[in-house]
Amino acid sequence: EVVLTQSPGTLSLSPGERATLSCRASQSVRSNFLAWYQHKPGQAPRLLIYGASSRATGIPDRFSGSGSGTDFTLTISRLEPEDFAVYYCHQYGHAPRNFGPGTKVDIK
Amino acid sequence: QVQLVQSGAEVKKPGASVTVSCKASGYTYSYYDIIWVRQTTGQGLEWMGWMNPNSGNTGLAPQFRGRVTMTSDSSRSTADMELSSLNSEDTAVYYCARGVRNFLYGDHWGQGTLVTVSS
Repeated sequence: EVVLTQSPGTLSLSPGERATLSCRASQSVRSNFLAWYQHKPGQAPRLLIYGASSRATGIPDRFSGSGSGTDFTLTISRLEPEDFAVYYCHQYGHAPRNFGPGTKVDIK
Repeated sequence: QVQLVQSGAEVKKPGASVTVSCKASGYTYSYYDIIWVRQTTGQGLEWMGWMNPNSGNTGLAPQFRGRVTMTSDSSRSTADMELSSLNSEDTAVYYCARGVRNFLYGDHWGQGTLVTVSS
């Protein structure tokens, strides 16, 4: 099983700042099949990025994904008030698919 | 527009079973898979498995094999997930999502169903 580790656990930032979230896999993720989701309390998860770097439909361009192999990054260029949430990476290249433990981005 | 609407909250006793339904609309149901994910209280997202509504093929995370059954009724564009032998650790919000075939990331999600297991 591929184990995903996300860091930091919590990121405290102010609106307008840049957020850099890391996701590390225990082995190389096949074909960079890595997605990122945003999850807010009481809401459904929202797909942000798939294929490590492709933005999902309707996602603002302040969200970007990068990386390959075992190291992946989600960057939010300038945080908007609605961006404060928990972010999960998800590998779908190997069975069983699984999620990282999440990074909480909260308001400083 | 693509929508997945899930059945309502459930309260079950330990040892019982629960079925969560997920009704899809706004797209060709058979062209996509359905994936199931849960979030236990205070924890992160947990992958449960996927189902191809066309073939009936499923793939379950190891911890759910033997306890989860996924089925589909294409005539109603509805997928069901049954979880048996419930215990308190199964108290969670259960989500279905549309899974992009051959990739299995969820591009549209249901609103979630709270299942509470309590004696």
